[in-house]
Amino acid sequence: AQRVTQPEKLLSVFKGAPVELKCNYSYSGSPELFWYVQYSRQRLQLLLRHISRESIKGFTADLNKGETSFHLKKPFAQEEDSAMYYCALSGRGGGSQGNLIFGKGTKLSVKP
Amino acid sequence: DVKVTQSSRYLVKRTGEKVFLECVQDMDHENMFWYRQDPGLGLRLIYFSYDVKMKEKGDIPEGYSVSREKKERFSLILESASTNQTSMYLCASSPPPGQRNTGELFFGEGSRLTVL
Repeated sequence: AQRVTQPEKLLSVFKGAPVELKCNYSYSGSPELFWYVQYSRQRLQLLLRHISRESIKGFTADLNKGETSFHLKKPFAQEEDSAMYYCALSGRGGGSQGNLIFGKGTKLSVKP
Repeated sequence: DVKVTQSSRYLVKRTGEKVFLECVQDMDHENMFWYRQDPGLGLRLIYFSYDVKMKEKGDIPEGYSVSREKKERFSLILESASTNQTSMYLCASSPPPGQRNTGELFFGEGSRLTVL
């Protein structure tokens, strides 16, 4: 079964501290993984995708197929990073046509 | 810039009422989706559509139906609203699989429905 697990509901760190939001997935085919972010009173938007291997707003995420993980990392958290973060899986290789399976989300709170 | 617009940001309805949530996208996307977003449960897919007049059930379709009469518009219908349907509803769109599709979904701002 396709599944995305975000073990932490809430993650609280101080400004300048490193951040790691955990994401594990279960998928039998070749997955595509994404991180979405929702800032307060804004719409849900894409933060980054594993295929691009890019860094957005200082965040990176590496797909580890052996551990079936796609953790989101940032070396120095900023207060403006406070938001709700969702990890998502697209099973397009398995026949799906684009719908994403989302984790339950992790609320990141960066304290001054 | 992709724009997905949900017509109602906030609605308050009574148990048993019929509720329509409208979503319009202006990027000529074939795929459209309805999710509900609940604290601690994340986003759960209700219905999606790959083309006009076409619909597919998602993970939690019970109590909901949809309508896709035009490519740009995807409506979510609650035939008889119940209190457990109080939630934030998110509409999204994307191009079909292929070169245009990077896997990204484009979301609306959400419709917060309260059923009393």
